[in-house]
Amino acid sequence: EIVLTQSPATLSLSPGERATLSCRASQSVSSYLAWYQQKPGQAPRLLIYDVSNRATGIPPRFSGSGSGTDFTLTISSLEPEDFAVYYCQQRSNWPPFMYTFGQGTKLEIK
Amino acid sequence: EVQLVESGGGLVQPGGSLRLSCAASGFTFSSYDMHWVRQATGKGLEWVSAIGTAGDTYYPGSVKGRFTISRENAKNSLYLQMNSLRAGDTAVYYCARRGVQLDFDLWGRGTLVTVSS
Repeated sequence: EIVLTQSPATLSLSPGERATLSCRASQSVSSYLAWYQQKPGQAPRLLIYDVSNRATGIPPRFSGSGSGTDFTLTISSLEPEDFAVYYCQQRSNWPPFMYTFGQGTKLEIK
Repeated sequence: EVQLVESGGGLVQPGGSLRLSCAASGFTFSSYDMHWVRQATGKGLEWVSAIGTAGDTYYPGSVKGRFTISRENAKNSLYLQMNSLRAGDTAVYYCARRGVQLDFDLWGRGTLVTVSS
């Protein structure tokens, strides 16, 4: 089973600053890496799929990059509504439908 | 409106059973693979089960043999039958749609399952 490790566990920044969140996989996940945002009391929301593709309605300040085992979610200039928990997720090529998530990074207001 | 609405959560004793439901609306339910994902309080996300459009099912080792996912396309509904429940199964259970990009592009609001004596 592929394990995803996110860092840092907590990131404290101010609005307007740049956020860089990391996700490292225990083995290559090819390009099957996604990012989700979750706010308290809400379901997760898909932000990025296949490493770098923004989901529908996601603003361009969110971007994803990386390959193989190391991936990054970047928020170019933080808005107040961006403070939340972020999860990376990988899906397997085979067997299909197998998904694992990272433990999350909490992005908090400094 | 495109949405998923879960129901059926509640308090159950260890060893007991519970059946969750997810009602889909606003999209062609039969055309999508569907999943259950859970989240213990204050914890991360854990994929629990999947069912393809052809009815093929998949589970992680933590629930295999205890949980059964099913769907009823005529009723636009997804189900999760949970047996032999343990304290570690306590979580909010989300119904999620696997979108055309193969990740979870639509989520319900979740239903809380508490396993406790």
